[in-house]
Amino acid sequence: AQSVAQPEDQVNVAEGNPLTVKCTYSVSGNPYLFWYVQYPNRGLQFLLKYITGDNLVKGSYGFEAEFNKSQTSFHLKKPSALVSDSALYFCAVRDIGNTPLVFGKGTRLSVIA
Amino acid sequence: DAGVIQSPRHEVTEMGQEVTLRCKPISGHDYLFWYRQTMMRGLELLIYFNNNVPIDDSGMPEDRFSAKMPNASFSTLKIQPSEPRDSAVYFCASSGQQGVSYNEQFFGPGTRLTVL
Repeated sequence: AQSVAQPEDQVNVAEGNPLTVKCTYSVSGNPYLFWYVQYPNRGLQFLLKYITGDNLVKGSYGFEAEFNKSQTSFHLKKPSALVSDSALYFCAVRDIGNTPLVFGKGTRLSVIA
Repeated sequence: DAGVIQSPRHEVTEMGQEVTLRCKPISGHDYLFWYRQTMMRGLELLIYFNNNVPIDDSGMPEDRFSAKMPNASFSTLKIQPSEPRDSAVYFCASSGQQGVSYNEQFFGPGTRLTVL
């Protein structure tokens, strides 16, 4: 069965510093990987996805994620954090032929001015 | 497109009452999902539909919960009778052409349910 782990419940980073939100996955085949962001009192918004090809995926709001097959990881990154990036971030995975997305428990990112 | 639409945005009810949550998916999407989000359990998939047909309802907590999709543009999630432990945010999401496995799901704004 497919699964996703987000090992950190909370990540704190100073504004202007780089940020990383970690995600590892487990699937039986080739993974399709996604990142979503949830702002307070809002639904989940799609940020980016990895399907195939370049291991570095660029998405919305300056975020990017790096797919690492050997480490089964898909960490979310941003070179310079903004206070407005403070939100709840979810990693999700879909195995080929299986639906729907399986979500991690989420990581709360707090960017401090 | 207006995105996924959910109503009501907030619902406060008393234990034992019937609650109906509504969802309008994005036009043209053939998959619809219902999720529940709580602090304790995170984001849980309750049920999903493909072309209006329920595919997997194994996440529905108990018989008090039921979901329908009478047509491609409307779905309901009903709780009868409601209990305080049902208090949560309920999300509806839709996606298109899921036979192409990499299509992302689009989420509605959610319904915050409080059962007193």
